[in-house]
Amino acid sequence: SQELEQSPQSLIVQEGKNLTINCTSSKTLYGLYWYKQKYGEGLIFLMMLQKGGEEKSHEKITAKLDEKKQQSSLHITASQPSHAGIYLCGAARSGGYNKLIFGAGTRLAVHP
Amino acid sequence: EPEVTQTPSHQVTQMGQEVILRCVPISNHLYFYWYRQILGQKVEFLVSFYNNEISEKSEIFDDQFSVERPDGSNFTLKIRSTKLEDSAMYFCASIRGYRSTDTQYFGPGTRLTVL
Repeated sequence: SQELEQSPQSLIVQEGKNLTINCTSSKTLYGLYWYKQKYGEGLIFLMMLQKGGEEKSHEKITAKLDEKKQQSSLHITASQPSHAGIYLCGAARSGGYNKLIFGAGTRLAVHP
Repeated sequence: EPEVTQTPSHQVTQMGQEVILRCVPISNHLYFYWYRQILGQKVEFLVSFYNNEISEKSEIFDDQFSVERPDGSNFTLKIRSTKLEDSAMYFCASIRGYRSTDTQYFGPGTRLTVL
């Protein structure tokens, strides 16, 4: 079965620093989703990547999908306390509207 | 902006009792999902639902679980006889389903505590 590995498991950064979170798949991804979760709350959609080499940005967050579609990175520039939370990558196994498989998440803390 | 809503936000029940978790997906969405997240663990898929029937279910989704879309707006997850290990956060999600680039949107979750 498809597994998603996220690294690091947790990250503590100083406000203003840049950071990167990685998500690696054992199989080629059809679609890769990034969500943010505050502890004990729902998943907030950030971005979806589908094409090899694709890159998307929203405010200070940039996500990329590699050419082979097996690895994605999420980069936050000039982090702020509001960026704190758990970042989850989720993968669609195939096209259409299948279930998502999730990684274990990366817990981010941003200290002022 | 349209959003997926879930009720209740927190449900406490005794082991062996039946619970119904409710979701209102985004109105023009066609595919609906339930996921769960046991505290400290990954978000896990339970079941997907399309055109008034289950399209896929996981091993977790055994005979104790059922889903229903009783009317045009609600989507429910029923657990017939709850066990301690059913304690988790349950998320409903929906997707429009017109294009492959459509996104799954998640609700805020229902925290189920089984005592």
